[in-house]
Amino acid sequence: SQKIEQNSEALNIQEGKTATLTCNYTNYSPAYLQWYRQDPGRGPVFLLLIRENEKEKRKERLKVTFDTTLKQSLFHITASQPADSATYLCALPDSGAGSYQLTFGKGTKLSVIP
Amino acid sequence: DTAVSQTPKYLVTQMGNDKSIKCEQNLGHDTMYWYKQDSKKFLKIMFSYNNKELIINETVPNRFSPKSPDKAHLNLHINSLELGDSAVYFCASSPRGRGLNTEAFFGQGTRLTVV
Repeated sequence: SQKIEQNSEALNIQEGKTATLTCNYTNYSPAYLQWYRQDPGRGPVFLLLIRENEKEKRKERLKVTFDTTLKQSLFHITASQPADSATYLCALPDSGAGSYQLTFGKGTKLSVIP
Repeated sequence: DTAVSQTPKYLVTQMGNDKSIKCEQNLGHDTMYWYKQDSKKFLKIMFSYNNKELIINETVPNRFSPKSPDKAHLNLHINSLELGDSAVYFCASSPRGRGLNTEAFFGQGTRLTVV
């Protein structure tokens, strides 16, 4: 199965700056990669999906890149706000059990400081 | 109009008991899942169920069993509960089956505490 590493457990950033979160995987290259947001006491919420043939995907202040050579995805939040504070999870299909089943990273807890 | 709903939200029970967590999705999705999130917040797949095909993560004890009365429901039954079963359990669903890109929609979670 896929092994996923997210660069840090916690990231603090000043309001207005760009937050950059990293997701690295070690085994096969997946057909796609997803990013989720999880708030305390809630289930993860889907944010973005990027396919292996896409270099970059944007949605409002969010940007995701996917480098299959480096086996890495970067997740950027521009003009960060305190409301962006949450845990962000990357997820990849687990080809060992069927490509619709996701394996999640441990997440990075982002805190945006006013 | 909740998309994926789980009940109960909190469940406290004694060791050795048998309990169930219910999950319903009103999105018309083909695939449903159960995930376990432990105290370190690591979210791990337990089961996926698509069109009567059940895929079980090999690390899940056989005390755990999913039951799907219909496409919109996937309930989780746990027998002989142990202290280590304490965690938050999430139900999720996705619109498509094997081989297609799809996002998962999660319920709000059930916090299970075994005492």
